[in-house]
Amino acid sequence: KAGVTQTPRYLIKTRGQQVTLSCSPISGHRSVSWYQQTPGQGLQFLFEYFSETQRNKGNFPGRFSGRQFSNSRSEMNVSTLELGDSALYLCASSLGGKEGTEAFFGQGTRLTVV
Amino acid sequence: DQQVKQNSPSLSVQEGRISILNCDYTNSMFDYFLWYKKYPAEGPTFLISISSIKDKNEDGRFTVFLNKSAKHLSLHIVPSQPGDSAVYFCAASPYYGGATNKLIFGTGTLLAVQP
Repeated sequence: KAGVTQTPRYLIKTRGQQVTLSCSPISGHRSVSWYQQTPGQGLQFLFEYFSETQRNKGNFPGRFSGRQFSNSRSEMNVSTLELGDSALYLCASSLGGKEGTEAFFGQGTRLTVV
Repeated sequence: DQQVKQNSPSLSVQEGRISILNCDYTNSMFDYFLWYKKYPAEGPTFLISISSIKDKNEDGRFTVFLNKSAKHLSLHIVPSQPGDSAVYFCAASPYYGGATNKLIFGTGTLLAVQP
């Protein structure tokens, strides 16, 4: 069974630009969550999508947005990039219920803003 | 406000001995806890989980203990192997009156298992 796939693996963008990251969850998983990992803040929850609806949102500015498609694939968008947005962005998929809520992570997308 | 805390940034253990990683939390609304292992530049790998209605869960060499009254959980690895060397994250999932897969992560503990 294929794992969680994130594309691209690496990205370099300039301040002010926007970026879109993609995540394909494990087949059959309906929940997709996004996390940001930085050395200073650790792993921080961005948002969760379930059946194409945002089910939860973390404390990030509105420049961070996402969506989920009918096949459960998800995209995350960051507009007006800032230097502080440089981070490892991780996507996690899970079945969606409470029991068996274990989230399985992709390899991440390393975003560098210059 | 750090709701999930791992107070030991690092831990060094001899191969074959027990590794005990600790985690404390402050939010009594957490009802599901998980441990993840992470290598640099990779996504976390799920290890083991426990529901708040239990106090122990075992899976092979890994056992997680939950003490709700103390708001404390621990991960025991027995016996420890050099391949276990990685950063270990404790994570908690809050109950919002419905299902959610939002995870709050601790800051991680770097485990080094010496051969």
